[in-house]
Amino acid sequence: EAQVTQNPRYLITVTGKKLTVTCSQNMNHEYMSWYRQDPGLGLRQIYYSMNVEVTDKGDVPEGYKVSRKEKRNFPLILESPSPNQTSLYFCASTSGGIQFFGPGTRLTVL
Amino acid sequence: GIQVEQSPPDLILQEGANSTLRCNFSDSVNNLQWFHQNPWGQLINLFYIPSGTKQNGRLSATTVATERYSLLYISSSQTTDSGVYFCAVTRGSQGNLIFGKGTKLSVKP
Repeated sequence: EAQVTQNPRYLITVTGKKLTVTCSQNMNHEYMSWYRQDPGLGLRQIYYSMNVEVTDKGDVPEGYKVSRKEKRNFPLILESPSPNQTSLYFCASTSGGIQFFGPGTRLTVL
Repeated sequence: GIQVEQSPPDLILQEGANSTLRCNFSDSVNNLQWFHQNPWGQLINLFYIPSGTKQNGRLSATTVATERYSLLYISSSQTTDSGVYFCAVTRGSQGNLIFGKGTKLSVKP
């Protein structure tokens, strides 16, 4: 089954404790991206990757890092999380302009 | 940057009713997609429709790119249609999606 998976689905952590949210797709897509969704602000792109080892900033990249060492994986890294990064995070994989979203990761930073 | 506006922001329907959701965008776009976010937060791709008309069961969508708007039609609504409907457009060559704020739909039995 074609899908985008994310882990963990839920995470509560504390300020400053590094964390990684994994994202994997099995559709051999080149383009992947990360979004965050916040009440009143909608979904905003954090980072995207057009292929292996090619990444670039989206609209709200501050406080995040990404890597793309393999085509299927695109982890989102928060080196020093802060409470303003509490949000619902989505990974997406794109082919032909059509975006497929993962199930989401609900992150709470205390 | 491109602005995406959706209307209405909230909509309450009785089961079986029809509805039209609108998406206006401020500049030329390469792609346009409609998504449904269900009450569990999952984003479901409904239509990829940069122009023209498409139909999928009770749902259909029309995009008039020259006039910078798209419409999503829901006929014979069901309670499972509840959730938030998002319109999103791409400004670049791939997928830098710009989302509207969404229309929150509640279908009452």
